[in-house]
Amino acid sequence: EAQVTQNPRYLITVTGKKLTVTCSQNMNHEYMSWYRQDPGLGLRQIYYSMNVEVTDKGDVPEGYKVSRKEKRNFPLILESPSPNQTSLYFCASRGQGAIGNEKLFFGSGTQLSVL
Amino acid sequence: QKEVEQNSGPLSVPEGAIASLNCTYSDRGSQSFFWYRQYSGKSPELIMFIYSNGDKEDGRFTAQLNKASQYVSLLIRDSQPSDSATYLCAVRGLEAAGNKLTFGGGTRVLVKP
Repeated sequence: EAQVTQNPRYLITVTGKKLTVTCSQNMNHEYMSWYRQDPGLGLRQIYYSMNVEVTDKGDVPEGYKVSRKEKRNFPLILESPSPNQTSLYFCASRGQGAIGNEKLFFGSGTQLSVL
Repeated sequence: QKEVEQNSGPLSVPEGAIASLNCTYSDRGSQSFFWYRQYSGKSPELIMFIYSNGDKEDGRFTAQLNKASQYVSLLIRDSQPSDSATYLCAVRGLEAAGNKLTFGGGTRVLVKP
C-alpha cells in the first residue's frame, strides 16, 4: 500500500530535550516536505526536499533541522524544542513533474507538546 | 496580508444543499490550485485541482478558478453529513519559488441532517 509513515503519532517532551520525528514513504517520490498546522494558520511549510541531499527552508524553518540521506526518509529534528513548537506536524511527499503529478500524500500526523 | 485567505467558518449547510467555499490568493503568478479535505484528527486529502480559468467538475464537487480576480472556489452539491470537514485551499506559485505550496487557514463545513 502506497503510504507516508510518520512516527510517533503523539509526543510529549520538555523544553530543550532533542527529538526526532521520522517520516518514510514507499512511493519512490523525489519531493518531501514538512508542515506544521496550528489553529487558524493552516499548514505552514517548515522544510522541503527536492531529492536526496537537496533540502531547503520553507516559511517557518527556525528551530528545525532536516536531512535527506535516502530517498525514502526525511526526518524532522528539533535540537532544542521550545513550547512555541507545540503543534501538529505533517510529513508529505509527491512525485516530480507538473500536471498530473501534483497530489501531496500526507502522513497521519504527529501531535507534539513541548512543556 | 495572508498569501492565501479563506473564511474560517463554520459554514453551516443543510443536507442536500450546495456548500460554496471561497479562497483568494495574492500571488498573481500562481499556476496551480488545489482543494484538500481534512477530517477532524486526520491528515489532508486532495479532492480537486484546477489549472485553467473556468469550472472543473468531479462528481459532486466543482472547482472554479478566476485568475483575473485571483480567487478559486469550491462548490459541493447535494451536501452530505460525511462532507463535514475542514476544506483547505492551496496554491502553487511559479516553479522558481521552489515548488512552494501555500495553504489557506481552511474553512470548516458543517452539514446538518
